[in-house]
Amino acid sequence: DTAVSQTPKYLVTQMGNDKSIKCEQNLGHDTMYWYKQDSKKFLKIMFSYNNKELIINETVPNRFSPKSPDKAHLNLHINSLELGDSAVYFCASSQLGEDEKLFFGSGTQLSVL
Amino acid sequence: SQELEQSPQSLIVQEGKNLTINCTSSKTLYGLYWYKQKYGEGLIFLMMLQKGGEEKSHEKITAKLDEKKQQSSLHITASQPSHAGIYLCGADVASGTYKYIFGTGTRLKVLA
Repeated sequence: DTAVSQTPKYLVTQMGNDKSIKCEQNLGHDTMYWYKQDSKKFLKIMFSYNNKELIINETVPNRFSPKSPDKAHLNLHINSLELGDSAVYFCASSQLGEDEKLFFGSGTQLSVL
Repeated sequence: SQELEQSPQSLIVQEGKNLTINCTSSKTLYGLYWYKQKYGEGLIFLMMLQKGGEEKSHEKITAKLDEKKQQSSLHITASQPSHAGIYLCGADVASGTYKYIFGTGTRLKVLA
């Protein structure tokens, strides 16, 4: 039973399209994150939500909008996709407090043509 | 998907002590990344290792990748309270295709 699941695993789309990536966690965690993995494989945080509220919002174009309908879900919607948005996006969750171990989804590889 | 084994899972040390965290895989690693997560924050990139036997240092933190490229160690010298956090390794496990996995994490506390 997957703890953090992301869909789709692969996403190929044309420039200018709008797309969404979904993330769900069944761990009961109250914090969820979106990370972007750049071409050098470094992970950079984009957003963090705690109990459906935005707590971290790094310098990300406003074409990226996270949506958290409940604390088990954090979806990433991207408008007007650009070539530079091509990357792997990882969702993660953790429980704030003493043991904040991050649990990651398997990633979504986005290719913008 | 967490397929890299990290040990120990948690560690409590007295300030000033040295410590080592290990990250082990059954597969060849094509790139090994160490991150640190401070409580309530995102991941901070520490170091990347790619070649067998490679060693890198940054301030008091040294990371090594073994010759077989299946194990990495992170060593902290003279630990300080600012070193506290969760250390996570991440790695490429496939050459030429996309497959990036994460370690199980090590929680470090440094007592003043």
